[in-house]
Amino acid sequence: GDSVTQMEGPVTLSEEAFLTINCTYTATGYPSLFWYVQYPGEGLQLLLKATKADDKGSNKGFEATYRKETTSFHLEKGSVQVSDSAVYFCALSDRAGGYNKLIFGAGTRLAVHP
Amino acid sequence: DTAVSQTPKYLVTQMGNDKSIKCEQNLGHDTMYWYKQDSKKFLKIMFSYNNKELIINETVPNRFSPKSPDKAHLNLHINSLELGDSAVYFCASSQGWGGTQPQHFGDGTRLSIL
Repeated sequence: GDSVTQMEGPVTLSEEAFLTINCTYTATGYPSLFWYVQYPGEGLQLLLKATKADDKGSNKGFEATYRKETTSFHLEKGSVQVSDSAVYFCALSDRAGGYNKLIFGAGTRLAVHP
Repeated sequence: DTAVSQTPKYLVTQMGNDKSIKCEQNLGHDTMYWYKQDSKKFLKIMFSYNNKELIINETVPNRFSPKSPDKAHLNLHINSLELGDSAVYFCASSQGWGGTQPQHFGDGTRLSIL
C-alpha cells in the first residue's frame, strides 16, 4: 500500500540555521503531497502542498518540491526561528484511490534554540 | 470563529465505559474525518464521511461507531473502552474528496483510560 517515510527526529537546531526534513513516499497512483505542522497542544495545520510533479509548495519561508523521479518531498527553510519548533508531518493523498485519504509519515519533531 | 471544533478537549474515564466525542465544522465542507494519534505521534485515519455517507472505514474495532447527523457534524461513539484506546482523536474536514484539497483539523480530544 501507499506509505510515507520521514527522517526520524528530534531535529535540534540553533536559530537562523538551515532546515531540511527528508520525506519520501511510495504510491500506486499520482498523489498530492502535503506538509502539515502540529504545534504543542494543537491540531495539525496545513503548511504547504504540491499536486503534481515539479510543483513547489511554499509558505512562511518553508519550501518543498515534488520530485517524482526520486519520490521525494523534502521540507526546507533557510533560517529557522524558535517559533518554528513543532512536529512536522509529511502526507500524501492518492487521487487514484478515489477518496481523499491522507496517509501520514511518522512526524519529525523540530526544536529550535535561541 | 473556530473552524473545526471538538468537545471535550480532555476525557478521562474508566475501562469498560462508553463515551462520545463531538465534532462540528463551520467551513461549509462536505467531507469529515476521524483520526487517531498514538503516544508516538503516529496519525492514522479511522473514518470519513462525505455528505453524511460513510466513504472510508479503516480496520477499526466495532466498538467505534461514527455518526453524521448532517454534513457539518461527525460524532464518534466508543463502547466498552479499553486501555489501548488511550490516544488523541482528531476530527478534520475538507471540501470534496478528490485528493487535492487540504484538510482542516480540530485541536484534538485527549482520551485517557484508567
